[in-house]
Amino acid sequence: DGGITQSPKYLFRKEGQNVTLSCEQNLNHDAMYWYRQDPGQGLRLIYYSQIVNDFQKGDIAEGYSVSREKKESFPLTVTSAQKNPTAFYLCASSTDRGSNQPQHFGDGTRLSIL
Amino acid sequence: DAKTTQPNSMESNEEEPVHLPCNHSTISGTDYIHWYRQLPSQGPEYVIHGLTSNVNNRMASLAIAEDRKSSTLILHRATLRDAAVYYCILRDRTSGTYKYIFGTGTRLKVLA
Repeated sequence: DGGITQSPKYLFRKEGQNVTLSCEQNLNHDAMYWYRQDPGQGLRLIYYSQIVNDFQKGDIAEGYSVSREKKESFPLTVTSAQKNPTAFYLCASSTDRGSNQPQHFGDGTRLSIL
Repeated sequence: DAKTTQPNSMESNEEEPVHLPCNHSTISGTDYIHWYRQLPSQGPEYVIHGLTSNVNNRMASLAIAEDRKSSTLILHRATLRDAAVYYCILRDRTSGTYKYIFGTGTRLKVLA
């Protein structure tokens, strides 16, 4: 079945360490997104990509980096500069960067600090 | 930013209809209204979206006010599996890009 796969489901980071969260989609979608969700809160946009080899900062991009080398993949790196990385991270995709088509979400990665 | 306002929580009895309200007084003329729901420890799930007319699908109905400043998501017969956080979202075009602004949503409790 088509969908979005995020891995790992749970991730632990040590102080000063960079970690990378994987997001793969087989929906042939152009646009992909990364969100952060803190307990009891809504989602906040970190980065988004409307097309391969292009991406834009969202509302809370500091301490994060992304790449979009392939249409299917949009990995997110949480760097050591992100001082409060503990959160639930969600990846999403949609058919068109400018359309009103719905976003499809993965099941998330929960990141914690050791 | 195009924002929405929803009640923090609502309760419903199983098998009864549920009406989840959303206010969006700053909506732009061509912004669609999207609804998603999120179960614990899962990603949000698309429910329905609309522009001006009422919309129906297998999951729910969306009633949009004539002035488009509010809308209501209608679950016709709530089940225990409908217990989730429901988000009403507008697409934000103010920055020239297309992204969603999520609020804190409405937590729906369904009582057996």
